[in-house]
Amino acid sequence: DQQVKQNSPSLSVQEGRISILNCDYTNSMFDYFLWYKKYPAEGPTFLISISSIKDKNEDGRFTVFLNKSAKHLSLHIVPSQPGDSAVYFCAAKRAGNNRKLIWGLGTSLAVNP
Amino acid sequence: SAVISQKPSRDICQRGTSLTIQCQVDSQVTMMFWYRQQPGQSLTLIATANQGSEATYESGFVIDKFPISRPNLTFSTLTVSNMSPEDSSIYLCSVDVTGITGELFFGEGSRLTVL
Repeated sequence: DQQVKQNSPSLSVQEGRISILNCDYTNSMFDYFLWYKKYPAEGPTFLISISSIKDKNEDGRFTVFLNKSAKHLSLHIVPSQPGDSAVYFCAAKRAGNNRKLIWGLGTSLAVNP
Repeated sequence: SAVISQKPSRDICQRGTSLTIQCQVDSQVTMMFWYRQQPGQSLTLIATANQGSEATYESGFVIDKFPISRPNLTFSTLTVSNMSPEDSSIYLCSVDVTGITGELFFGEGSRLTVL
């Protein structure tokens, strides 16, 4: 049973436009949600997170929105740049369990010049 | 933040052999995590390595297959034992610096191919 789902395996966006990456989850016990970016031949890099008590967190070009009633979160990248081309993973942490993240399958983003 | 170095970065191994992956962190950390990413799959936690105690393994992973050492607060090793082609994966070492939010820092990964 996949508790964190990224239903779009890939996304292609024009440079300068908005990229929206989506993530759905099933477990209402998650208290933190995180986005990671991964380039080929590198480990994932933490990008941005959001607590379950918030509905928005912004860091520069990156904004994460959380809709708890829909069990849905999204990552917005504005404006998109070619260097943003990578695989983006959504991950979630259960309250009281600091050691384990549940990961989605990832979405491969291509930002075209 | 933390800088994590993993060795080897990649290797090709024969079925039935074992390989040890090393993970070095530039700061002292309490918990280190070993993940696996099989082709086309997401990241899966293998075990949590605590200094001075036995590693804690996730469901589906056992110590005989994936023995882990954690001799100090900056170093850990993961051994993949008696390898089969199904063990072909990227193995990743990571640490949690905040201890609260689950924000992890990862090594660059070790890509294993088992023939």
